[in-house]
Amino acid sequence: AQSVTQPDIHITVSEGASLELRCNYSYGATPYLFWYVQSPGQGLQLLLKYFSGDTLVQGIKGFEAEFKRSQSSFNLRKPSVHWSDAAEYFCAVGTRSEKLVFGKGTKLTVNP
Amino acid sequence: EAGVAQSPRYKIIEKRQSVAFWCNPISGHATLYWYQQILGQGPKLLIQFQNNGVVDDSQLPKDRFSAERLKGVDSTLKIQPAKLEDSAVYLCASSRNNGEQFFGPGTRLTVL
Repeated sequence: AQSVTQPDIHITVSEGASLELRCNYSYGATPYLFWYVQSPGQGLQLLLKYFSGDTLVQGIKGFEAEFKRSQSSFNLRKPSVHWSDAAEYFCAVGTRSEKLVFGKGTKLTVNP
Repeated sequence: EAGVAQSPRYKIIEKRQSVAFWCNPISGHATLYWYQQILGQGPKLLIQFQNNGVVDDSQLPKDRFSAERLKGVDSTLKIQPAKLEDSAVYLCASSRNNGEQFFGPGTRLTVL
């Protein structure tokens, strides 16, 4: 069965610091991988996605993620965090036509 | 293009009452999903439609939840009767079946 693990429930960083959010998945083949962000009271916004090809993908708002097949990981990174990045981040795995399976999310707090 | 629309945004009911949520997907998107997001967790699929047919409803509590997508466009999700544990955000998403899902703002349901 598909599953996604986000080991960090809550991360706190200082504004301007770098950020890495971890995501590990379990899937029978190479899945489609996604990172979504959710601000309080809002729906999910897609940050970036990996379907195939270059394993380093660029997304919106300066985020990037790297797919590592050997580690079954798809970690999200940002070199310099802004206060507006405070939100909850969800990693998800899916296919072209099926449901997304989400991790439990990582809540990001940004200190001034 | 307009995003996924959902209404109402908030709903408070007492247990054993019924409630209905509405979703209008992005124009041209054949696939529509309903997800349930309980506080502190990632979204979990309730039901997936392809046009007006059900693709996956394996996680839908069919004794109390029902959903329909008449004419393959708008969809309604109903809960009857509601239980306390149904308190959650109900997210609708749509897709062109290319792996990328677009989410609406969600309906926050509180069952008292």
